[in-house]
Amino acid sequence: AQSVSQHNHHVILSEAASLELGCNYSYGGTVNLFWYVQYPGQHLQLLLKYFSGDPLVKGIKGFEAEFIKSKFSFNLRKPSVQWSDTAEYFCAVHSGGGADGLTFGKGTHLIIQP
Amino acid sequence: GAGVSQSPRYKVTKRGQDVALRCDPISGHVSLYWYRQALGQGPEFLTYFNYEAQQDKSGLPNDRFSAERPEGSISTLTIQRTEQRDSAMYRCASSARYAGGLQETQYFGPGTRLLVL
Repeated sequence: AQSVSQHNHHVILSEAASLELGCNYSYGGTVNLFWYVQYPGQHLQLLLKYFSGDPLVKGIKGFEAEFIKSKFSFNLRKPSVQWSDTAEYFCAVHSGGGADGLTFGKGTHLIIQP
Repeated sequence: GAGVSQSPRYKVTKRGQDVALRCDPISGHVSLYWYRQALGQGPEFLTYFNYEAQQDKSGLPNDRFSAERPEGSISTLTIQRTEQRDSAMYRCASSARYAGGLQETQYFGPGTRLLVL
């Protein structure tokens, strides 16, 4: 079965710091990759997704992620975080071909200190 | 239109009782998914539907869990004889595309937090 690893479960940064959250997956075939975010008191929202093409994808609120196939990675980045980025971030993979649901990582709880 | 909605948002029940959790997908969305999320974990796939047909229930933990989507729109996840280990956030998602292939985006509802005492 495929798996998704998010290496940092809790991250604390100051405002204006740069962010990179790691995500690695185990499936070797074609995949679709997602980052979802859950702000306090809100539901899971799509931040960005990769289906094909340019491996550098841009999402909402200044976030971007890079798909590196050789490393089975899809790391999330933001050059300068804001207090409002405090949230839980989930990486997810869809491989299709019988694995019909998304496989999620355990999430990273990001706290931005003002 | 409106997003995915779920009800109730919170449910407290006693062990042994049955519960029914409802999901109303985005209007016109073909596929509907159920996930369960334990504290400190990511969502875990339970089952999904294309229209009214349940395509895969391999993720359901045991036969106390069942789901239906009789008219291809609203879905109900039922847990019979609840146990304390069933306590979790139950999330529903819908997608415009026919599920089973790639290039599909799932949109999530707010979830139902279930607590079994």
